[in-house]
Order: sequence, then structure tokens, then C-alpha cells
Amino acid sequence: DTAVSQTPKYLVTQMGNDKSIKCEQNLGHDTMYWYKQDSKKFLKIMFSYNNKELIINETVPNRFSPKSPDKAHLNLHINSLELGDSAVYFCASRLTGDTGELFFGEGSRLTVL
Amino acid sequence: AQSVAQPEDQVNVAEGNPLTVKCTYSVSGNPYLFWYVQYPNRGLQFLLKYITGDNLVKGSYGFEAEFNKSQTSFHLKKPSALVSDSALYFCAVRENSGNTPLVFGKGTRLSVIA
Repeated sequence: DTAVSQTPKYLVTQMGNDKSIKCEQNLGHDTMYWYKQDSKKFLKIMFSYNNKELIINETVPNRFSPKSPDKAHLNLHINSLELGDSAVYFCASRLTGDTGELFFGEGSRLTVL
Repeated sequence: AQSVAQPEDQVNVAEGNPLTVKCTYSVSGNPYLFWYVQYPNRGLQFLLKYITGDNLVKGSYGFEAEFNKSQTSFHLKKPSALVSDSALYFCAVRENSGNTPLVFGKGTRLSVIA
């Protein structure tokens, strides 16, 4: 009964490869996010989707392409991976208009060699 | 633009002593303020939030935080620290309108020593 689930939890790959991370929430929320946590633990918003529509894109390189097939899913595809993409990527969700908190997944640790 | 400052990278406290983790914020409108905790190799867990009303909010695991509008602060407190409270704590803010994202501080590592 995990609320926000991400797969895979760990991903190790070579520079130049393409990889995807998937996220699903079963909370009935309509807004979903991708955050990046770097090696210094800084958390930075990357994207936000509301009802499958992109509403926030925080100057992320266009090698990163989010996709939301429905409001319960938000996937992240990364092309031509670079060393600097190594980080933990967190998916989160909430209900628009609600004063409530974000619910986070457990994170997907991406290591680019 | 909204921002959060957590001035301390690390806070050390003895078990049983009170703890405070500091946070100040900047938003153009009224803030929604949050505290999250992150244990090693885990996601962020919600502790408490301030939306409106009473300036002192109580949250999970005995934590509380005080909203101070004049000082634009939202410090996290606990009367008696436990070793199990050792973790990374994040303060976050968003404006109370639309789909503005939650902006996080850089985090404060709390170490409670037995």
C-alpha cells in the first residue's frame, strides 16, 4: 500500500546511455513533481505536472524529458547521461488547492560511471 | 521568488536536552511552511506544517515549530531529544497560491549524542 512508489531504487549506468525512472502514486493526487537531490543533499525542483500537463520546468537540460500518461504516473527519461546527472531523484505528489504537504517516494539513486 | 535559509549545517545535542533547528524564509505573499525529516537512504517524511492560525504547531514524534512572522522564522523544536532523532532535517516554504512548488532549505544534520 505504498503511497508514492518509484522504480528502480538504484540505477548504475555508463555515460551516454539513456535511462528512465518511473513513479506512481495511489493517493488520488493530481499534481506530481520530480526533485533532484545532489551529493550535498540539496533538493531542487525539476518538473511539476498537474493533471498530465507540465506546469513547472526549472531550467532542466532538455536531455531530461518527463512524461505523465495519467495523473497517477510521472516518469522521467534521461538521454545521453552525464557524470553530473548522478544524484537521487525523488518523486512527490499532492492535491492541487490543498494546503497539505507533499508526499515523497523513497528515491531513485542514479550513478553514472 | 521564495527561498529558505537553514543557517546551521550541523546541530549537536545531548540526549534528553532540548533541541532547536533554525529556519528563516522569504516569500512575497503568505507562506505555507513545512518541516521534513530524512533518514539515511530514505525519502522525506513530513513532520509538521504551518498554514494559518496558532503560531505554535505540533507535529510527529514530539516535534513542534513556532511561526514568527516579524522574524520570518519557523524554527523546529523538541523539548527532549532522542538518539533516534538523529537525521537530516529540511525546512520548506511555498506561497499560498496556485501550483507554486515547495522550495527547500539546504538541510540541517541533527546529531543526538547518548
